[in-house]
Amino acid sequence: KAGVTQTPRYLIKTRGQQVTLSCSPISGHRSVSWYQQTPGQGLQFLFEYFSETQRNKGNFPGRFSGRQFSNSRSEMNVSTLELGDSALYLCASGTRGPYEQYFGPGTRLTVT
Amino acid sequence: GQQLNQSPQSMFIQEGEDVSMNCTSSSIFNTWLWYKQDPGEGPVLLIALYKAGELTSNGRLTAQFGITRKDSFLNISASIPSDVGIYFCAGSGTYKYIFGTGTRLKVLA
Repeated sequence: KAGVTQTPRYLIKTRGQQVTLSCSPISGHRSVSWYQQTPGQGLQFLFEYFSETQRNKGNFPGRFSGRQFSNSRSEMNVSTLELGDSALYLCASGTRGPYEQYFGPGTRLTVT
Repeated sequence: GQQLNQSPQSMFIQEGEDVSMNCTSSSIFNTWLWYKQDPGEGPVLLIALYKAGELTSNGRLTAQFGITRKDSFLNISASIPSDVGIYFCAGSGTYKYIFGTGTRLKVLA
């Protein structure tokens, strides 16, 4: 089975711009979660989607949003980028509720 | 954001040594999981634990779900150079997934 894929792998944006990241889960997985990883804050939960509905949301500003499509693929959008948004953004998919999650390789976002 | 307390933060060990790390929380979790992350990659699931007191092995790795449901332990036996990386614990509850601060492992050949 193919693993979780994320595109693009690397991205450089300028402050104030917006960005959209994409995640394709493992086939059959209906739950997709997004995380932000930085050296200072570690792995922080952004939100989780299941069957196109957001089930849970972390403590991030409204500039961070996401959605899930009927084929379980998910996108994450960050508007009005700030320097502090530079991070590795990880997507994880799962099937057994929220218990087991399988991560993609991540998208490395650099905001200049 | 909320993180679980993981110790030690980092450790250097000799190849062939056994390694132990743990993870503690002030909250109860239904599931404990352990992941390993290599530089520039996403975390890889190593072991999942579903019941208090459960002891599960995956090759040279053994993990335990604490009786109080507030902690978990991971042991690596006979470490090898490819064990180097960052190990994360994660606690999972209803629609909630909290990660530990990570243990950075370096193995000296």
